[in-house]
Amino acid sequence: EDKVVQSPLSLVVHEGDTVTLNCSYEVTNFRSLLWYKQEKKAPTFLFMLTSSGIEKKSGRLSSILDKKELFSILNITATQTGDSAIYLCAVGTGTASKLTFGTGTRLQVTL
Amino acid sequence: KAGVTQTPRYLIKTRGQQVTLSCSPISGHRSVSWYQQTPGQGLQFLFEYFSETQRNKGNFPGRFSGRQFSNSRSEMNVSTLELGDSALYLCASSVDRGGDTQYFGPGTRLTVL
Repeated sequence: EDKVVQSPLSLVVHEGDTVTLNCSYEVTNFRSLLWYKQEKKAPTFLFMLTSSGIEKKSGRLSSILDKKELFSILNITATQTGDSAIYLCAVGTGTASKLTFGTGTRLQVTL
Repeated sequence: KAGVTQTPRYLIKTRGQQVTLSCSPISGHRSVSWYQQTPGQGLQFLFEYFSETQRNKGNFPGRFSGRQFSNSRSEMNVSTLELGDSALYLCASSVDRGGDTQYFGPGTRLTVL
């Protein structure tokens, strides 16, 4: 059975801190790893990673994938209160559109 | 481009009833997937539709079913509702099957009393 594990489960930081969120996976026929941010309802897409060692960056957020060790990290620098959300990691396998999700990391950024 | 839309946004039903949820994908997207999100289980895959055919199904009972129309719009149906079906039901669309980013709709919050 495909498995995606995220850590930590929750995190409280002060504005301006840097955070690292972790995602490890054990799946059959890996295709891609995706990060989403969920604030109220719809998860919004952040990154999709398919190749090992190539960092994806968008503003203060960045992510990298290690296909040998089967994990990914999501970094957020200079955190802001608007970064408070649940961050979801998902893995796509084979040719299907099915994504297997981790339980998420709840990030709270305080003033 | 308009995003994924889902209707209704909120639903309250009683045990034993049935419910139909609707999803309109982003224009040009042909693959639609459905997920159930609960506090205990997180996001779990229900099924995937492409070209009006169910391509993949998650580990849910037969009470959960769906279909896709020729314009890629999709519906899911839950019959004989149980209390445990209370959840946020999310629909996601992608251009094609696999290998593509999935974009999520706002979800339908279903409460079963």
